[in-house]
Amino acid sequence: GAGVSQSPRYKVAKRGQDVALRCDPISGHVSLFWYQQALGQGPEFLTYFQNEAQLDKSGLPSDRFFAERPEGSVSTLKIQRTQQEDSAVYLCASSLTGGTKNIQYFGAGTRLSVL
Amino acid sequence: QKEVEQDPGPLSVPEGAIVSLNCTYSNSAFQYFMWYRQYSRKGPELLMYTYSSGNKEDGRFTAQVDKSSKYISLFIRDSQPSDSATYLCAMRYYKLSFGAGTTVTVRA
Repeated sequence: GAGVSQSPRYKVAKRGQDVALRCDPISGHVSLFWYQQALGQGPEFLTYFQNEAQLDKSGLPSDRFFAERPEGSVSTLKIQRTQQEDSAVYLCASSLTGGTKNIQYFGAGTRLSVL
Repeated sequence: QKEVEQDPGPLSVPEGAIVSLNCTYSNSAFQYFMWYRQYSRKGPELLMYTYSSGNKEDGRFTAQVDKSSKYISLFIRDSQPSDSATYLCAMRYYKLSFGAGTTVTVRA
């Protein structure tokens, strides 16, 4: 595709509900990243995949957060038992390889509001 | 203390002015330095990408990196209303560490 695609663009959840956020990276991009952006803040790293392998999940804030990329392409970020503090924009980025030089291209994000 | 510090502003300048943005960082492992532009309700878009200390120019944009001082800057010359956005500095070894972003408004 032309760019990184994320769906849904907006999600409203009641506290305690489970949500699933989808990311379609740029075709052929090996590396995929998830970031969380709170209002008025810069994005914060959550997790990183190289192909289907999750190489770094150090940024996931709790065990309620889970990410997968089973076939090395589309990724899903799942949040169980959502809390109000989970309200944020969730950004996905992809890059051609995992090397330090490679540029990350971002999707428009999913704005999650937990009521 | 955060790894990357950036003054969130906001910054308001008249059209045609020079916009000056900067960030400091604490992690010497950072090798690559970037500036992203983010419009409201959009994802970050890469503006400038530098590796070594020194200056890099691209049109109206100049990025500076001073690794000895752990300080990076972005200058926008002849600013336009379309430059109104949030500017995020970012640094990486493989994952990106972002500053908080500076919101810039260029007044026509």
